[in-house]
Amino acid sequence: AQSVTQLDSQVPVFEEAPVELRCNYSSSVSVYLFWYVQYPNQGLQLLLKYLSGSTLVKGINGFEAEFNKSQTSFHLRKPSVHISDTAEYFCAVMTGSYQLTFGKGTKLSVIP
Amino acid sequence: EAGVAQSPRYKIIEKRQSVAFWCNPISGHATLYWYQQILGQGPKLLIQFQNNGVVDDSQLPKDRFSAERLKGVDSTLKIQPAKLEDSAVYLCASSLRPGQPNYGYTFGSGTRLTVV
Repeated sequence: AQSVTQLDSQVPVFEEAPVELRCNYSSSVSVYLFWYVQYPNQGLQLLLKYLSGSTLVKGINGFEAEFNKSQTSFHLRKPSVHISDTAEYFCAVMTGSYQLTFGKGTKLSVIP
Repeated sequence: EAGVAQSPRYKIIEKRQSVAFWCNPISGHATLYWYQQILGQGPKLLIQFQNNGVVDDSQLPKDRFSAERLKGVDSTLKIQPAKLEDSAVYLCASSLRPGQPNYGYTFGSGTRLTVV
């Protein structure tokens, strides 16, 4: 069975500093990988996805992620964060039955 | 296009009471999912529908939870009787068709259930 581990439950970072949110997955087969963002009292919004091809994936709001098959990782990065990026971020893997399995989430707090 | 609609947004009930949540997916989306998100955890799949048929309900606690998707459009999720540990956000999501990960999911805003 697939699983997702988000290594940090909370990440504080100063405004305009870079950030990396870490995600590792376990799967014995090829996977599709996703990052979602959840603002308070809202549903999940897709940031970016890796399906195939280039391992560097660019998403909305200036975020990008790199798929590393050998390390089974899919870390999310942003070179300069804004206050508005304060939210919870979820990494997810899609199984063969097209169901999403989520990690426990990382709360990003941007400090002015 | 209109998003995935869910109601109510919030619900507070006493344990052993029953509750129902409603979801209206994006028009034309064949696949519908219900997820449970307990505070501090990621969403967990409860049930997946394809049109009006159940694809996977292996993680649905069937002794108290039930779900249906009449006519392959709207869906309701019911809990009867509720327990304290059912306190969570219940998210509905839909996707255009199976086997098409490129389309991804669209999530609703969720229903926050508090059982006291």
